This record gives sequence, C-alpha cells and structure tokens, in this order.
Amino acid sequence: AQSVTQLDSQVPVFEEAPVELRCNYSSSVSVYLFWYVQYPNQGLQLLLKYLSGSTLVESINGFEAEFNKSQTSFHLRKPSVHISDTAEYFCAVSDRAGSYQLTFGKGTKLSVIP
Amino acid sequence: DGGITQSPKYLFRKEGQNVTLSCEQNLNHDAMYWYRQDPGQGLRLIYYSQIVNDFQKGDIAEGYSVSREKKESFPLTVTSAQKNPTAFYLCASSIEEHSYNEQFFGPGTRLTVL
Repeated sequence: AQSVTQLDSQVPVFEEAPVELRCNYSSSVSVYLFWYVQYPNQGLQLLLKYLSGSTLVESINGFEAEFNKSQTSFHLRKPSVHISDTAEYFCAVSDRAGSYQLTFGKGTKLSVIP
Repeated sequence: DGGITQSPKYLFRKEGQNVTLSCEQNLNHDAMYWYRQDPGQGLRLIYYSQIVNDFQKGDIAEGYSVSREKKESFPLTVTSAQKNPTAFYLCASSIEEHSYNEQFFGPGTRLTVL
C-alpha cells in the first residue's frame, strides 16, 4: 500500500517570492511520482513527473521537483511565483508494478499575494 | 483536439433521485477512472475500468454504479443510496501500456443535491 502526505494544506506567498510545496510518500516498492495542478472549478493538469533518470525534473512554467529516495520526498519548488500560479497542487504516486491506481495527497492550496 | 469531456459542468438534483454523470474520451485510452473530490480530502477513487465490459470498485464505491460498454465512455450513476453525494466529480483516463499510469483528467462535474 502507498500513501502520500502533503505537509501544508495552505501556503500563502508574496508575488515574486520563492515557494516550496512539500510532499512525502510511503511505499513498499519503487514508485513513479507526479505533481498535478488544479485551477478553481477545473480538472487536474499534469505539472511534472519523475519516472527514472535525473532526480530533478522541470515543468515548462518554471516549477521543478526533486526526487529524494532516502527521504522519500518529492518537493515542488519555484524560485519566483506569479499571480497565475494561484491554484491547488496535488502530489501523487503510482507503483512500478503497474498498478492501475494513482494515490493522491490531500492537496496544497497556493495563494500568491500581490 | 483529443481529450476528456464531462457533462454537465454543474448538476442539481433533489435528494433521493438517481443521477448519471457523463464521461467521454477520444484519446484511445484503455483505462478510465472516476474520482470524488471534497474540500481538504484530495481525490478518492470511486471506480475504475481497465477494459471494456470490466470495472472494479475503488475506495468509496458504495452508493455509486458504472458501466463500460464502449471504450470511449464511462458514465457514473450516483444513486439514492449515496448518503452525501454533493461533491466535485472528476473522470480520468490512462494508457494501459504505460506502467507509470499517467492519468489525464476531464474538467469535472459539480453535483449539488438539494
């Protein structure tokens, strides 16, 4: 069984400041890791994913996440946030055995303050 | 454009009535999923289907039913047995051949039971 813990339910941050959204997971097997973003009243969009290779993965809009196997973490970072980054962010894992279930964290609401 | 459509976007029903939420995809994905989202709860899996004419219960299947008669369609019925049906419902799909189960989401349906 897997579980995902997003340590902060809400993160307020001023525009142009850096931000880190924390995600820790628990699994008895190796995992794939994902970050999804949800804008108000919309579905989820994939932001970035870690499958293998380099532990640092980047998105096209400036977010990055680093897989840390020893700490079982996959924290999401952005060096300078914009108002348009205001959204809810979900961390998710799936196991490498090919399970058809994706386990989600409870989400972190990022509010960017002008 | 390929994608997942859900209809309607907003749905209102009286208590005790069954209601069916539509989900259609033209991505040629084999697997489809239904999630329920409540504030602060993240996403919880209701049902999923890996192939046509087959589906499995997720974590919170009680009070819900599904069918998968076509690859493109995976409707969800919220029955009168569901004690607290007011929620945001999300449909997703994924390619079965990919072991990492990257899921693509529809825009969601917000159901309000009066």
